[in-house]
Order: sequence, then C-alpha cells, then structure tokens
Amino acid sequence: EVLLLESGGALVQPGGSLKLSCVASGFTFTNYAMNWVRQAPGRGLEWVSATTSGGNPYYADSVKGRFTISRDNSKNMVYLQMDSLRVEDTALYYCAKDSTQGLVPPDAFDFWGQGTMVVVSS
Amino acid sequence: DIQMTQSPPNLSASVGDRVTITCRASQNINNWLSWYQQKPGKAPKLLIYKSSTLESGVPSRFGGSGSGTEFTLTINNLQPDDFATYYCQQHSRSSTFGQGTKVEVK
Repeated sequence: EVLLLESGGALVQPGGSLKLSCVASGFTFTNYAMNWVRQAPGRGLEWVSATTSGGNPYYADSVKGRFTISRDNSKNMVYLQMDSLRVEDTALYYCAKDSTQGLVPPDAFDFWGQGTMVVVSS
Repeated sequence: DIQMTQSPPNLSASVGDRVTITCRASQNINNWLSWYQQKPGKAPKLLIYKSSTLESGVPSRFGGSGSGTEFTLTINNLQPDDFATYYCQQHSRSSTFGQGTKVEVK
C-alpha cells in the first residue's frame, strides 16, 4: 500500500521559514518524481514544486527563489524548505507522487498524503 | 503560463443524472490532462489521466475525452458517492489546475 505522510506544518510569521517533510512507503521511491501541491483554505489546488527521481527541481513561478525542494532517496523522504514566507502561502500542503516513471515532472498524481497545514500570520 | 478554465463552477444534479464538466486550456496541451475528485477534508483522488484513461479502481461511469484545448469529464448515472468537487489538471508545461466544479445535490 502506498502511503505518503507529511509533517512540519506550523504557524509562522511573515518573512519566516519552515521545512516540510514527506515520508513515502509502499513503492520504489527512487523510480518516481515527487511533488508538493497546496490548497489555501476554501480554495482550489496549486502545484508548487517537483523533484525528479534524481533530484532535479521544478518550481511554480509563485514560489521560485523562495522555496527549495529536495529528496533523500536513502530515507524515502522529500522536503520543502520554505523561506521568505508570505501570508498568501497559507495553505494545506500535500505531498503527491507522479504516476509515471521517467517523465519530466509534474505528471498526473496518483497518490497523495493527507497534508500538513502552514499558516503565515503575524 | 497555461491557464485552465473549468466550467461550470457549481452544478446541481440528482442521483441517476448524467453530468458533464468542461475544461479549456489557454494553449494546446495535447492529451496531458487529468481529472481529480476531492471530498471535504480529504486529499484529491485521481480519476482519469491522459485525457481519457481511467485510473485503476475508478468506476466505469466516469469518462474523459478531448485533446488540444477542450476537455470533458462525464459522469453517467450519478451516484450518491459522486457528490464532490472535481478538478482538471494540465501537465503539458509545468502544471495548472482548473478552479474546480462542485457537484451538489439538486
């Protein structure tokens, strides 16, 4: 069974930093790109970032230069370092798995975690 | 950036109805279009990928079609479990989601 479990969400002040983590299990982690997708309260979905199986990063324009995605294939972990946080970054952050091996991410997302909440407020 | 325009934003329907949701891309995305279902407090669930391929385990009453810039999600014989919000997603260049369509009980 594929499981994705996010952690690290918190209340943080504008301009602050936070690091999210996602641990994966139930599939060959090293074969798949991984993503972060967020959803502001009562709003739609927004793709944030992806990392290829080899660690190449991709970012949405809204977070480029502020967020850094990384992964540790030895631990089946993917991370999202979030710096210079803004009020508009407030959202539930989901970790999501690409559905197809070998494609440039993002692809369709076949498995999602339950999310971790980030609130940016003074 | 590729913009995804999804319509309608809300839809009232009854059990047994046929429901159609449309997604339009601002430029050609070939068939790099997926559909998701999301229920309150839950993560999205992949229904269809590559415009028309049904994800494993998804009931056959769900169907997708389209290519280029115009795409459709059809739900035949709407069931009580299908009342939810539906999103399209393009992943031709980067990724963008539609604004969502909430399917409610009529």
